[in-house]
Amino acid sequence: GESVGLHLPTLSVQEGDNSIINCAYSNSASDYFIWYKQESGKGPQFIIDIRSNMDKRQGQRVTVLLNKTVKHLSLQIAATQPGDSAVYFCAEKQPNAGGTSYGKLTFGQGTILTVHP
Amino acid sequence: NAGVTQTPKFRILKIGQSMTLQCTQDMNHNYMYWYRQDPGMGLKLIYYSVGAGITDKGEVPNGYNVSRSTTEDFPLRLELAAPSQTSVYFCASSYLLAGPKGELFFGEGSRLTVL
Repeated sequence: GESVGLHLPTLSVQEGDNSIINCAYSNSASDYFIWYKQESGKGPQFIIDIRSNMDKRQGQRVTVLLNKTVKHLSLQIAATQPGDSAVYFCAEKQPNAGGTSYGKLTFGQGTILTVHP
Repeated sequence: NAGVTQTPKFRILKIGQSMTLQCTQDMNHNYMYWYRQDPGMGLKLIYYSVGAGITDKGEVPNGYNVSRSTTEDFPLRLELAAPSQTSVYFCASSYLLAGPKGELFFGEGSRLTVL
């Protein structure tokens, strides 16, 4: 079946380093991708998104790269801080079937990012 | 705005018991969703709603029911609790369907244990 997966389930970095979290997706029809951050005991929070017609999008300290050729998505966090420690999920959205039907949003397993002071 | 509010935050049920997880949002979002998150796993969609009176099944609807009588509220009902329903449940809402500009806003989760 279609799935979104992550290459590395855990990532440990030193404060100030750059972090790269990877995600592989298998559905070439997916047209939208999102990264969420989930802190312990909280719900996921939107970080950044990218449409399939783009290959790069930058936010504040974060950059998402999309490589449709190899169906790969990555999240880069610059100058990682202890407050960035969390689980990061990628999610892909398949095109809406039409009308009010929901364009299925599939979440990956998540990567645990730990930032050491 | 309080955003998305879920209650209860924690609950322990015995096998066969029933309960309702409450979810309310004050952002006037038409779209609401229920996800479950099993340990070490991503989120799986249980049910969603595109507006008051309209609901539809997600990936894992078996054992659950929902209703949407108002824009604000989207309760999730477990009729006969089973150990397989032990999970953390997240309610979410969005202004548009999930997608560009359809950012999901999540509640803080309800941790359910079925013994």
